[in-house]
Amino acid sequence: AQSVTQPDIHITVSEGASLELRCNYSYGATPYLFWYVQSPGQGLQLLLKYFSGDTLVQGIKGFEAEFKRSQSSFNLRKPSVHWSDAAEYFCAVGGKEYGNKLVFGAGTILRVKS
Amino acid sequence: DAMVIQNPRYQVTQFGKPVTLSCSQTLNHNVMYWYQQKSSQAPKLLFHYYDKDFNNEADTPDNFQSRRPNTSFCFLDIRSPGLGDAAMYLCATSRDFDTQYFGPGTRLTVL
Repeated sequence: AQSVTQPDIHITVSEGASLELRCNYSYGATPYLFWYVQSPGQGLQLLLKYFSGDTLVQGIKGFEAEFKRSQSSFNLRKPSVHWSDAAEYFCAVGGKEYGNKLVFGAGTILRVKS
Repeated sequence: DAMVIQNPRYQVTQFGKPVTLSCSQTLNHNVMYWYQQKSSQAPKLLFHYYDKDFNNEADTPDNFQSRRPNTSFCFLDIRSPGLGDAAMYLCATSRDFDTQYFGPGTRLTVL
């Protein structure tokens, strides 16, 4: 079955430290890849997406992600985390190979300590 | 700003009492989706409309229905809410099956 794996349920980082959230997908030669962020009690906000082209994509709030086809990965990074980045982050995969639906990972909860 | 709006943000209903959640959008997108999200879980797709065509997920209970009277509005009807239906309900929109944009959600409590 098509699946998306976010291996880290919780991550805690110090404010100002770098961050990497991992995401792997199980299937697809040309997946559409997304990262969304969700603050408590809120909807999902799109951070960035990859459809094709340059495999390093820039998003909002200083986030970037790199698509590595050989590893079926789309990891999210930020060089310096701010306390306001504390939230839950969802990786999602879509496109025709996924029935034009989004398949979400289980999410990673980011805690930021001061 | 173009956006996806959900009303109300918080809804309390009684066990078995029908409830309707509303979603509207100013993005002029042709696809609208309803998701259910329970605590500490990823969103789960219930159904979507592609233009006027309704597409139900195979495992969506019959208790959940939807209406889309026009391009801008979509409603989620829960005919007889049970305690297990308490969740966050998210509406999303997209142009064809491109990027999905989400509303702020409606938190449903069932007493």
